[in-house]
Amino acid sequence: GAGVSQSPSNKVTEKGKDVELRCDPISGHTALYWYRQSLGQGLEFLIYFQGNSAPDKSGLPSDRFSAERTGGSVSTLTIQRTQQEDSAVYLCASSLGGTSRYEQYFGPGTRLTVT
Amino acid sequence: AQSVTQLGSHVSVSEGALVLLRCNYSSSVPPYLFWYVQYPNQGLQLLLKYTTGATLVKGINGFEAEFKKSETSFHLTKPSAHMSDAAEYFCAVRSTGANNLFFGTGTRLTVIP
Repeated sequence: GAGVSQSPSNKVTEKGKDVELRCDPISGHTALYWYRQSLGQGLEFLIYFQGNSAPDKSGLPSDRFSAERTGGSVSTLTIQRTQQEDSAVYLCASSLGGTSRYEQYFGPGTRLTVT
Repeated sequence: AQSVTQLGSHVSVSEGALVLLRCNYSSSVPPYLFWYVQYPNQGLQLLLKYTTGATLVKGINGFEAEFKKSETSFHLTKPSAHMSDAAEYFCAVRSTGANNLFFGTGTRLTVIP
């Protein structure tokens, strides 16, 4: 079946602009996660959705970052007033549930470059 | 608190040689442990996982890992490296009750022909 998809695959933006990154999880997966992968920082957790609710936003680095999920499916990560330190690969993952034992399936990522 | 340490950011092995990638974790509660592989310009692919039961787990592509609670380790091994194994490997831990995975910094595996 179809895996997790993300769009765009690459995004170049100017400092100060807003960007939106999209994630389509695997059909039927109720849990959705956003991670950021950057040089020197490794993989960092950003936010977790269960259905349309985000019970854990603890990883969002600043209030410039926000995310929403609609219809228990598609999620959008928005970064406002982008900064150069936001340059990274943003990975989305989904799983059958939020319970720890369920493995997470990752999308190919969106590479964001802020110039 | 949770953390994952992967010893060696780069590992090189000859084709046909043993692959050993090390992972140590810290967790205040029993963890679930995962190994993911990332090929260039691709997302993370699950290699194997330990949740409960048998401590030696087998994954895809001939990889296996053993959970050793006394050593807080979950090292990844493969008896014979193949050129196609060249990739970056990430160890991850998720404690019961936690929402997200904590990842190690990754180990880049190079296979020398």
